[in-house]
Amino acid sequence: DTGVSQNPRHKITKRGQNVTFRCDPISEHNRLYWYRQTLGQGPEFLTYFQNEAQLEKSRLLSDRFSAERPKGSFSTLEIQRTEQGDSAMYLCASSLSTSRFGEFFGPGTRLTVL
Amino acid sequence: AQKVTQAQTEISVVEKEDVTLDCVYETRDTTYYLFWYKQPPSGELVFLIRRNSFDEQNEISGRYSWNFQKSTSSFNFTITASQVVDSAVYFCALSEARNRDDKIIFGKGTRLHILP
Repeated sequence: DTGVSQNPRHKITKRGQNVTFRCDPISEHNRLYWYRQTLGQGPEFLTYFQNEAQLEKSRLLSDRFSAERPKGSFSTLEIQRTEQGDSAMYLCASSLSTSRFGEFFGPGTRLTVL
Repeated sequence: AQKVTQAQTEISVVEKEDVTLDCVYETRDTTYYLFWYKQPPSGELVFLIRRNSFDEQNEISGRYSWNFQKSTSSFNFTITASQVVDSAVYFCALSEARNRDDKIIFGKGTRLHILP
């Protein structure tokens, strides 16, 4: 499978716990994005990496959220002290900056905070 | 500010009917990209098309066609002879070229039900 992969696919946690999600982009893609999608809404941009550099963070990304892409390959998104409002689908996407095909999305990680 | 509006929240049609999903966008940029994505019940976003602002030619891909009109800031999507497998949520989206990051702004989506 050469698409974008995300793990885990589902995560249920109790309020106050920390969670970490992983995204493996398409191998030659230099750009990696995180989006959040709540029920009935379109995905909303959270943050973006070009190679290992995090170049932009949305105001949606509170200080409880941190994302890394240490070697310019896979990325992790950590949420500390989760709140019920963090319940959502977290989508990862990757792209090649020179491509006309835009971003390719992974299957997402569905987070439920109890 | 950039914004994408999909006024149709939900549409139901009978199989084999044609259906058009509307999309209106707002941007101050002269160079931008428009997208359509499909999200089936499995949840994965499937890329359908990307169109840049300088290319107003309509595009047809099998049963899918797209009508881009800059004059009305619209990028509508038509499915001809719909099939049950077309049932999904469809998102229209916009990316401004002046944003080096290529981040995408999505509409709220249109849920399409194709009834057998």
